[in-house]
Amino acid sequence: DAMVIQNPRYQVTQFGKPVTLSCSQTLNHNVMYWYQQKSSQAPKLLFHYYDKDFNNEADTPDNFQSRRPNTSFCFLDIRSPGLGDAAMYLCATSEARGLAKNIQYFGAGTRLSVL
Amino acid sequence: AQSVSQHNHHVILSEAASLELGCNYSYGGTVNLFWYVQYPGQHLQLLLKYFSGDPLVKGIKGFEAEFIKSKFSFNLRKPSVQWSDTAEYFCAVMFSGGYNKLIFGAGTRLAVHP
Repeated sequence: DAMVIQNPRYQVTQFGKPVTLSCSQTLNHNVMYWYQQKSSQAPKLLFHYYDKDFNNEADTPDNFQSRRPNTSFCFLDIRSPGLGDAAMYLCATSEARGLAKNIQYFGAGTRLSVL
Repeated sequence: AQSVSQHNHHVILSEAASLELGCNYSYGGTVNLFWYVQYPGQHLQLLLKYFSGDPLVKGIKGFEAEFIKSKFSFNLRKPSVQWSDTAEYFCAVMFSGGYNKLIFGAGTRLAVHP
């Protein structure tokens, strides 16, 4: 059974049109992460939530925002998608951030296309 | 800067051949080490992990990896691959400090021919 669920699996949006990607988890994990993975590249961390505490990576563009209304759900908002934002977006969770408990579990990803 | 390198971007093998995928990282401190696998159309799955103790770790589906601290390496091995091992393999390293960020290598695409 899927433990980290991402919806939709495929999303097409227009240049400049805001889009929201969704992630939910049944693991009751404290930490939720969003990664961007472009073709043939490594997943790159955009930001994460530790409980309600938002942690942005220094090089994440302002165009990317996130919301975590409760433990189970986390959203990735792209305010004005550009062609360069076309990628696979991966959501992951972990029980905690300490080395001993930071095993990350991934969803299947949402592939975003920007027309 | 902390980084993870995977030596081979594409590997093609015949069934029953042995597999070794290289992974090196840049940091000399405490690390947690992971190999993830992504089968076509599926999510990233944890193959195996190293936190401490025996540097030879065994994972699912007959995979193993060896942590060599002096070489900053964590190579993945399998003695005899199967067609079903066709997938992309990612090495990932969690560097201690801050909130323990996970950094991925660029991945290796493995194709196994019957």
